[in-house]
Amino acid sequence: KAGVTQTPRYLIKTRGQQVTLSCSPISGHRSVSWYQQTPGQGLQFLFEYFSETQRNKGNFPGRFSGRQFSNSRSEMNVSTLELGDSALYLCASSNEGEQYFGPGTRLTVT
Amino acid sequence: QKEVEQDPGPLSVPEGAIVSLNCTYSNSAFQYFMWYRQYSRKGPELLMYTYSSGNKEDGRFTAQVDKSSKYISLFIRDSQPSDSATYLCAMSLNSGGSNYKLTFGKGTLLTVNP
Repeated sequence: KAGVTQTPRYLIKTRGQQVTLSCSPISGHRSVSWYQQTPGQGLQFLFEYFSETQRNKGNFPGRFSGRQFSNSRSEMNVSTLELGDSALYLCASSNEGEQYFGPGTRLTVT
Repeated sequence: QKEVEQDPGPLSVPEGAIVSLNCTYSNSAFQYFMWYRQYSRKGPELLMYTYSSGNKEDGRFTAQVDKSSKYISLFIRDSQPSDSATYLCAMSLNSGGSNYKLTFGKGTLLTVNP
């Protein structure tokens, strides 16, 4: 069974721009969660989607948003990028239980 | 106080040693406990998934949960250089439904020297 895939793997953006990251979950998994990983804060929960609905949201500003499509694929969007948004963005999928992570998208904001 | 505390290390051991990794937590409502391994520039890989208190063994890995002490551990027997990675503990209130999210420790960097 194929694992969680994320695209793109690397991204460089300029302050003020916006970015969209994509995640394809493991086949059959309906829950997709997004996390931000930085050296200072570690892994922090952004939001979780299940059957195209956001079920849970972490403590991030409204510049961070997401959505899920009917095939369970998910996207997250960050608008008005700040230098502090530079991080590894990880997506995890689950079937109500263990969460399996993708390789992440490394975003650098300059 | 952070919800989950994990000693960041770094921890350096010789090949073949028994490694003990630990996390403490403050929220007694956590029910599910996980250990992930993360190699440099990769996503976290699930190693162990346990529910409530007790022990779980999988090959060279043993996970222990002591809910009364709010303390979880991961033991690695006969450690190998390929075990060199960052180990992350994680926990959640539930396994799905509303408020379903993982809360992570900051990770312990382990190096196993040949």
